[in-house]
Order: sequence, then C-alpha cells, then structure tokens
Amino acid sequence: ETGVTQSPTHLIKTRGQQVTLRCSSQSGHNTVSWYQQALGQGPQFIFQYYREEENGRGNFPPRFSGLQFPNYSSELNVNALELDDSALYLCASSLPGLADTDTQYFGPGTRLTVL
Amino acid sequence: GENVEQHPSTLSVQEGDSAVIKCTYSDSASNYFPWYKQELGKRPQLIIDIRSNVGEKKDQRIAVTLNKTAKHFSLHITETQPEDSAVYFCAALSGGYQKVTFGTGTKLQVIP
Repeated sequence: ETGVTQSPTHLIKTRGQQVTLRCSSQSGHNTVSWYQQALGQGPQFIFQYYREEENGRGNFPPRFSGLQFPNYSSELNVNALELDDSALYLCASSLPGLADTDTQYFGPGTRLTVL
Repeated sequence: GENVEQHPSTLSVQEGDSAVIKCTYSDSASNYFPWYKQELGKRPQLIIDIRSNVGEKKDQRIAVTLNKTAKHFSLHITETQPEDSAVYFCAALSGGYQKVTFGTGTKLQVIP
C-alpha cells in the first residue's frame, strides 16, 4: 500500500448536488494531484496542489475546486453535479524537487455515482 | 499540452510468453515516464518508471525502454503469469508542475 488514503470509498449523489472528497497524502509528501477516471478510460488530470496553492489545472470547469491544508491533506469539491461526473476520483501524493522522489502514489479512490 | 498514445488497447498472451506495450508522447520536455498497473476496482500501482537520462531499466520480469529522439517508450513483460492480467497505463510527466498525462490503457489478459 502507498500510505495515501481517501474518503469516502463510495458516494451516491443526485444531479445538482455538491460533493466533497478527501485525501490524506503519504507522510512527508507536500504535493497532491487529483484525477478523474471514467469507466474504461485512463485517469484525467484535474488539478494539483503544492504547499496549499493550486499549482496547475487540467481541462475541468470551475465547479471543480480544491483545497490543501497545512498538513498537506486535500479536498476536492464538485458543485452542480452532472451525470457525467460519475467516475472514480483518485488523488496522488508526491514530493517534487528532489531526484527520484517525484513519483506520484495513488490512493484507493472514491467511486462517485451521480443519479 | 502533452498527448500520450498507447497501443495496443487489448493484448492476449499465453502464460509464459512475453508482452509488449508501446507508447508515444508529444512533449519533448517530458522527462519522467511511469507505468501503472490497475486491477479491476483498485488504484493504479506503479510498477516501473524511467527518466529521460536513461535508455532502459529492468526490474525482474519487467523492463522499460525509452527512445527520446523518437519520443516513444515501451513496457516489456517476460514470462507472463495469470496475475499479470490487468490494465496497464503508460504516462508522461511534463511541465513546471507535475501534470501526469496518461495513455488510454492496455488490457492485458494472460491465458493459463
């Protein structure tokens, strides 16, 4: 196991609702990246947080937002849920800046179903 | 932005045979190329990675090669076993931040 944890494991919401997903990074890692993985596809980069600041964003609308806390844990918030938001949401932690430590390690994911 | 293409999308091999998965990338600034194995319903797990200053890396039955000039890298699994059956993703890391772009995945089936 990687030491990266996510909660909840599964979540069911209805269209228009809001959801918050949580991620605890591996000890010592100061960077968290979030990915959306639709069924049968590869993970798609949503955004990354480094030392509590957003440090890059993929092609996702503003209703996808996030936070990183002083202990480097992180939240992903999605507003106005749509059916297409149904997916596995993965977070990955890393420690960039040093050789051989920028590998991203994934958490188990949160399976979000939007009805 | 970076674009990673992966082939084949599905691959069936007999137990004991070798499997090869190929990926190409578009951003010449990419410098780190991890490979992940994902079993059904589970997280992607890093199985091997290679950096741009190395042409080949091996770890037991798994090896990865990188051709920076041609912008392609490949995963080689020898002596395949049924437990190797999973979806494999290649990826490339580029940019000032750590955006990892994934390939579309290869579903590997090892037939006993």
